[in-house]
Amino acid sequence: DPKIIQKPKYLVAVTGSEKILICEQYLGHNAMYWYRQSAKKPLEFMFSYSYQKLMDNQTASSRFQPQSSKKNHLDLQITALKPDDSATYFCASSQERDYEQYFGPGTRLTVL
Amino acid sequence: QQQVRQSPQSLTVWEGETAILNCSYEDSTFDYFPWYWQFPRESPALLIAIRPVSNKKEDGRFTIFFNKREKKLSLHITDSQPGDSATYFCAASTGNYKYVFGAGTRLKVIA
Repeated sequence: DPKIIQKPKYLVAVTGSEKILICEQYLGHNAMYWYRQSAKKPLEFMFSYSYQKLMDNQTASSRFQPQSSKKNHLDLQITALKPDDSATYFCASSQERDYEQYFGPGTRLTVL
Repeated sequence: QQQVRQSPQSLTVWEGETAILNCSYEDSTFDYFPWYWQFPRESPALLIAIRPVSNKKEDGRFTIFFNKREKKLSLHITDSQPGDSATYFCAASTGNYKYVFGAGTRLKVIA
């Protein structure tokens, strides 16, 4: 059974629209993260949460907003989508900081 | 500035040879260095990690050599196998829930 679920697997959106990427982890971890991977930036750290509290935000744009409704959920809301947002978005989790991070399967977003 | 640099960008070795992947960093407060590998169309997975209290970490055919003074580390893959062909990412963390990743080294092992 998958331990980290990301939904949807593929997502196509039009410029200017808004989408929510879903992430749920069933590893019992306390920390969750979002990363973005594209041809321009191979693996880019975006956010980290611990016990549903924002720990670090390396995303300059406020168009990207993480949402944590439960300890094992960390969704990513993206507003006013741009073609440059096209990438694979990975959710990850770890027991605590500096411990092994487990990555989800990713959501591949294409913005037309 | 928190940067992690990797070299070479791509590397091709023959099966059985030792592949050496390099990584360097600038921030001396980094205290955790994981290496991840990623196969095509898959997500990254932790391969091996080291903390500065050690200068070497070994796990089977994979060994990290760490030079704190020079702020450099390298991943050695001995007896390389075609199944090792992947992109390898060096990462660093200061223990504040933030990870900085290098641009990756694409390794190809030819049988």
